[in-house]
Amino acid sequence: AQRVTQPEKLLSVFKGAPVELKCNYSYSGSPELFWYVQYSRQRLQLLLRHISRESIKGFTADLNKGETSFHLKKPFAQEEDSAMYYCALKYRNNDMRFGAGTRLTVKP
Amino acid sequence: GAVVSQHPSRVICKSGTSVKIECRSLDFQATTMFWYRQFPKQSLMLMATSNEGSKATYEQGVEKDKFLINHASLTLSTLTVTSAHPEDSSFYICSAHLPRGETQYFGPGTRLLVL
Repeated sequence: AQRVTQPEKLLSVFKGAPVELKCNYSYSGSPELFWYVQYSRQRLQLLLRHISRESIKGFTADLNKGETSFHLKKPFAQEEDSAMYYCALKYRNNDMRFGAGTRLTVKP
Repeated sequence: GAVVSQHPSRVICKSGTSVKIECRSLDFQATTMFWYRQFPKQSLMLMATSNEGSKATYEQGVEKDKFLINHASLTLSTLTVTSAHPEDSSFYICSAHLPRGETQYFGPGTRLLVL
């Protein structure tokens, strides 16, 4: 069965510090992974997807099939990065399995 | 980007009544829409996949007679919580998938409180 694990419910860093939000997945098929972000009082929105290999708002994520991980990283966190982050796995045709989420707080 | 709306944004109802939540794709046609439920401080849980013109596909453990889904057009899907009870109080979120798209676009959610 497909599963997405985000081991940290809460993560707090100081502004300017590096940040890494962990995500591990379990899926027998070829994985398609995404990171979604939900800022306070806003709807969930796509941050980035692994197939695009893009950097959005300074965030990057690399799919590591050997470790079945898709960790989200940013070298220098900003206060506006404080939000809820969800890792998600696409399975079947278009269904999504979401991780439990990690609440990132960037302190000044 | 694609926009998905939900109506109402918040609803309070008495136990035993039915509540309908609408999900609309505003600037695109969505052949597939998804309904999620989110409890406080928890992740989104997929309830069902709604396909235009056909029956919805429900996730295991979701009562199809309790949560009626109708996807009558390419821009509208509705979720009806029938005979609502306090334990149905939750945040319901819909999303829509662009044809040949790679990801889902989410609505703002509907907060349901059953008294």
